[in-house]
Amino acid sequence: EAQVTQNPRYLITVTGKKLTVTCSQNMNHEYMSWYRQDPGLGLRQIYYSMNVEVTDKGDVPEGYKVSRKEKRNFPLILESPSPNQTSLYFCASRYPGQGSSPLHFGNGTRLTVT
Amino acid sequence: GQSLEQPSEVTAVEGAIVQINCTYQTSGFYGLSWYQQHDGGAPTFLSYNGLDGLEETGRFSSFLSRSDSYGYLLLQELQMKDSASYFCAVDSSYKLIFGSGTRLLVRP
Repeated sequence: EAQVTQNPRYLITVTGKKLTVTCSQNMNHEYMSWYRQDPGLGLRQIYYSMNVEVTDKGDVPEGYKVSRKEKRNFPLILESPSPNQTSLYFCASRYPGQGSSPLHFGNGTRLTVT
Repeated sequence: GQSLEQPSEVTAVEGAIVQINCTYQTSGFYGLSWYQQHDGGAPTFLSYNGLDGLEETGRFSSFLSRSDSYGYLLLQELQMKDSASYFCAVDSSYKLIFGSGTRLLVRP
């Protein structure tokens, strides 16, 4: 089954404790992206990647890191999480970086930072 | 700056037609997409307009006017299962920028 898999689904952590949210897709998509969703703000792009070893900042990259060492994986790293990073996070992927190719989303990771 | 405007909430009756509007202001534009998200779920793709005009997919249609920086999603023969949030999104220079979403409530 074609899918984007994120782990974990729920995560509660404390301020400053490094964490990684994993994302993997099995559709051989070149383009992958991370979004955060907050009430009333919609989906805001954190980072995106056009292909292996090619990443770029989205609209809200501060406090986050990403890497794209393999085509299928695109982990999101929070080196020192803070409470304002409490949010619902979605990983997504698609074929070429623009156009009519739909974005496929993972099921989301709900992160709480205390 | 870049912005997309859509109504925050719309209510309609089962069987009716509802239109959700989206106006945008972005640097670079390649097309307008629509996504649906049920509570607790992930967004799923509904439609895409790269050119002006109407695209129809079953009960859903989407329209784009590039000269007016405007588009809409039209949902016909509303069903209870259509209660969800709907997001317009602009393809802009390899970024997909989302609006803040419209919550649609379908009443019996």
